[in-house]
Amino acid sequence: EVQVVESGGGLVQPGGSLRLSCAASGFTLSSYSMNWVRQAPGKGLEWVSYISSSSSTIYYADSVKGRFTISRDNAKNSLYLQMNSLRDEDTAVYYCARADTLNFDYWGQGTLVTVSS
Amino acid sequence: QSALTQPRSVSGSPGQSVTISCTGTSSDVGGYNYVSWYQQHPGKAPKLMIYDVSKRPSGVPDRFSGSESGNTASLTISGLQAEDEADYYCCSYAGSYTWVFGGGTKLTVL
Repeated sequence: EVQVVESGGGLVQPGGSLRLSCAASGFTLSSYSMNWVRQAPGKGLEWVSYISSSSSTIYYADSVKGRFTISRDNAKNSLYLQMNSLRDEDTAVYYCARADTLNFDYWGQGTLVTVSS
Repeated sequence: QSALTQPRSVSGSPGQSVTISCTGTSSDVGGYNYVSWYQQHPGKAPKLMIYDVSKRPSGVPDRFSGSESGNTASLTISGLQAEDEADYYCCSYAGSYTWVFGGGTKLTVL
């Protein structure tokens, strides 16, 4: 069974940092591109970042460019999101989503990041 | 990267059909055949319902169908059932490995 499980969320002060992880199982991570998508409380979905299967291609939404870094370790079946210089507006549930061609076919349950003083 | 435009809410009675629209631009919806639709129940993860405009993943009932005309995509749910009540989001590829979502539509089954 395909599964992706996020972890690493929590409460952080504005300007702080947090590293999210996504553990993949039930499929060969190295064969798929991956994404992070977030959802602010009571709001819609927002695509955050993309990483290709070999990490050769990486893209970010303008809202996080220069502050967030996506990475992966295929040997550990893991995806990461390093978030620096966090702002109040980064408060959201962060989802890890597998990319099947150019669609998101499997999503994790998400991890909540709260940025607040 | 402006969000795609969806109606905030739609409703229908059991057995009826409803259609949710998703309007973008020639840089996203109208420029690529990569529109997808996601169903999200409260507190749950999104679930892929339609991909590549009109294709259904295995396990998704054929009551769900997708289409596109110009810069507008649509999701139609026929034979509404109580369990279809959820939020629905459209999403379009926008080039250079970036994506844009719609604001979401709350479907109420009366």
